[in-house]
Amino acid sequence: AQRVTQPEKLLSVFKGAPVELKCNYSYSGSPELFWYVQYSRQRLQLLLRHISRESIKGFTADLNKGETSFHLKKPFAQEEDSAMYYCALRPEFGNEKLTFGTGTRLTIIP
Amino acid sequence: GAGVSQTPSNKVTEKGKYVELRCDPISGHTALYWYRQSLGQGPEFLIYFQGTGAADDSGLPNDRFFAVRPEGSVSTLKIQRTERGDSAVYLCASSLGQYENSPLHFGNGTRLTVT
Repeated sequence: AQRVTQPEKLLSVFKGAPVELKCNYSYSGSPELFWYVQYSRQRLQLLLRHISRESIKGFTADLNKGETSFHLKKPFAQEEDSAMYYCALRPEFGNEKLTFGTGTRLTIIP
Repeated sequence: GAGVSQTPSNKVTEKGKYVELRCDPISGHTALYWYRQSLGQGPEFLIYFQGTGAADDSGLPNDRFFAVRPEGSVSTLKIQRTERGDSAVYLCASSLGQYENSPLHFGNGTRLTVT
């Protein structure tokens, strides 16, 4: 069975400092990894996915199959980045069952 | 267009009662998902529909939980003989469908409180 681990429940970072939210997964196949974000009083929404290799709102995430990690990074934090972040895994193409981590609440200190 | 709509936004019920939670997906989305989120946890998969049929219901915790999507659009999650442990936010999401490799679009959720 697949599992997603986000070791930090809470993370506080000063504005302008680098941000890294950790995500590790366990799955024996070739999964697809996602980061979802939930801003205050908004619905859960997709931030980025590893297959698109995009940078969204300055965030990037690289899938490291050797370390089974998909850490989310941003070089310079902004106040509007304060939110709840969830890492999620889809086992393989065509399997629509997403498994989520427990989430990390990121707070940017002005 | 409109996003995924869930009603009611809040539901308080007594232990042992029956509840129905409704989800209106984005028009044209053939896949629909139900997740449950307890306090301090991430969303937990319950069931996934492709069209009218339940393609994967492996996340339903027991036979008190049932979901339908009779016309391939609106879905209803039904919980019988509710228990205090059923209290959670129930999230619905929709996507273009299996093999479309499309992201999930979530609703705002229904907060269920069982007293």
